[in-house]
Amino acid sequence: VQLVESGGGLVKPGGSLTLSCAASGFSFSSYDMNWVRQAPGKGLEWVSSISGGGSYIGNADSFKGRFTISRDNAKNSLYLRIDSLRVEDTAVYYCVSGGSGYSPPFAYWGQGTLVSVSS
Amino acid sequence: QAVVTQEPSLTVSPGGTVTLTCGSSSGDVTSGHFPYWFQQKPGQAPRALIYNLNNKHSWTPVRFSGSLLGGKAALTLSGAQPEDEAEYYCLLSYSGAHVFGGGTKLTVL
Repeated sequence: VQLVESGGGLVKPGGSLTLSCAASGFSFSSYDMNWVRQAPGKGLEWVSSISGGGSYIGNADSFKGRFTISRDNAKNSLYLRIDSLRVEDTAVYYCVSGGSGYSPPFAYWGQGTLVSVSS
Repeated sequence: QAVVTQEPSLTVSPGGTVTLTCGSSSGDVTSGHFPYWFQQKPGQAPRALIYNLNNKHSWTPVRFSGSLLGGKAALTLSGAQPEDEAEYYCLLSYSGAHVFGGGTKLTVL
């Protein structure tokens, strides 16, 4: 199982960004998927999850409105779009496997991609 | 949204035993919260240790175990090793939403 995030970088406040996660080594469409973030020196925060087929989406209360999770099973890819970026969105964003018939949730983690929001 | 609480820091001697706990502001933690535990070392991504309260992944060292203790989820480390020094996070599920605890910094000294 391999999860590789990309799309992070330095962004100005108010801007938008789409993070990507390329999955390999497993049957991607069979797995729910998650995004988890970690601000510098802080703890982990669950952001959002999406079912294997993409029909069910869940968001933590703090991440409703500006954060949009999506997936493309044909491309084995997971996405997170963040709108109206704020300084406090500065964090490492991790792509994390969800549950499936083969594996429990949160078993596999990518290395993360750093989003820095600053003027 | 519930708040999940963990001890900010704990210290254990090499070879010793320590228990980390994970509580919920909404009441007792049960197996229905599917407690998870993760280990994170500086500069690394978190690594899953325990799922669904007391189940270990294939890579989880046998010295780690999960349980319920006094209305909280618990992670017990028996026979601490220097490489177990890390931050430990629990995660609880609330009807499809998930909440992490603030983390426990475990020192092996």
